[in-house]
Formats: sequence, C-alpha cells, structure tokens
Amino acid sequence: EVQLVESGGGLLHPGGSLRLSCAASGFTFSSYWMHWVRQIPGKGPVWVARIDRDGSGTDYADFVQGRFTISRDNVKNTLFLQMNSLRGEDTAVYYCARALAGWGCMDVWGQGTTVTVSS
Amino acid sequence: EIVLTQSPGTLSLFPGERATLSCRASHSVSSNYLAWYQQKPGQAPRLLISGTSNRATGVPDRFSGSGSGTDFTLTISRLEPEDFAVYFCQRFDTSPMYTFGQGTRLEMK
Repeated sequence: EVQLVESGGGLLHPGGSLRLSCAASGFTFSSYWMHWVRQIPGKGPVWVARIDRDGSGTDYADFVQGRFTISRDNVKNTLFLQMNSLRGEDTAVYYCARALAGWGCMDVWGQGTTVTVSS
Repeated sequence: EIVLTQSPGTLSLFPGERATLSCRASHSVSSNYLAWYQQKPGQAPRLLISGTSNRATGVPDRFSGSGSGTDFTLTISRLEPEDFAVYFCQRFDTSPMYTFGQGTRLEMK
C-alpha cells in the first residue's frame, strides 16, 4: 500500500524550531518529487516547498523567506521539513505529498501533523 | 499572483442530483496543470482530477472535469452520500508555483 506518514508536529513558542518527518512506503520513493503543503482548518491548502528526486533541487513559497529547509533521505525513504524562526501564522496542519509526475499536482498525501506556534 | 476563486462557497443538494462546481483563475492556466481535490473532515485532500479532465486512479466516473483558460468546472453527475465534502481546485505555474482555491463545501440538503 502506498503510504506517507508524517511526524514531528507539536506546540512551540514563536521563534522556535521544529523538524517534520514523512516516512514513505509502498512505492519507490527516490523516483518521485515530493512536497510539503500546509492547511489551516477551514481554509484552502497552501503549498510550502518541493524537492526533486535526488534532493539537489528545491523550491519554496515566498512566505518561507529562508526559514524552512526541505530535504530527503532516499536510503531511509524519508522526507523532512526543518522549520526555524517559527511564527504564529505558521500554525497549521502540515502534509507531505507525492508529486504526480508531469501534471503539477499531488497524488498521494499523508494524514498530516499539526504545528501550533503560540506564546 | 494567480488567484483561484471557487464558487459557490457552499452548495446544498440532494443525493442523486447533479453538482457543478466552478473554479475561476485570475490569469490563464494551462489545461495540463489544473487539478481538483476532495477533502472530508479530518482527512487529507484526495486527488480527483489532474490535467483538467483526467480522473485519478479509483475515482468513480460520475466525477468529470472540464474547462480551459480561466474557467474550469468539476461536475458530479449523480451525487452519492459519500460525495458530500469540500472540493478544492489547484493550479501549477510560475511563482507562486502551486495555488489552491478556497474551496466549495458540498452539503447534503
């Protein structure tokens, strides 16, 4: 079964750091671009970052402003999102998602992990 | 910046009825890069349609997508109880790379 499982979310103060992980199984992880997408409950999803198959190429949403880093370990089939200098507006459910090659969308999503930034 | 505006915000229909959901872009979108997702409470989005009209694996054929340029439509021909959910459109292009609409809530009347 194709599966993505996120972990690492939590409650932290503004200015803090957090590393999210996404464990992939059921498919050849190294063959796919991967994304992080976040969503405030009741709102539309917002794309955060993407990474190419070998991790050499990354892209970020403008609001990341150098605070987040996406990376991957193709041996451990795991995607990461290192988040620094967190703000209240970063509070959301964070999903990892697999890219559907050639179509600019995401065909497999994890269940999400919640990040809450509050003083 | 490209904005996707979905309408209506909420659509109330009976099971068995036809649902028509709209997604309008502020600038032209390539038909290859317009997708639709379904999201149920407490769940992640689920890809329904890629490339404007291509159903994802396992998606029933009562779901269909159409459109071009700035106007795109998701149609559900005969609503089943499990179809009542929130639907998002999404496009891919240059910065910002991936944009989602604000969603249409399809509720059972």
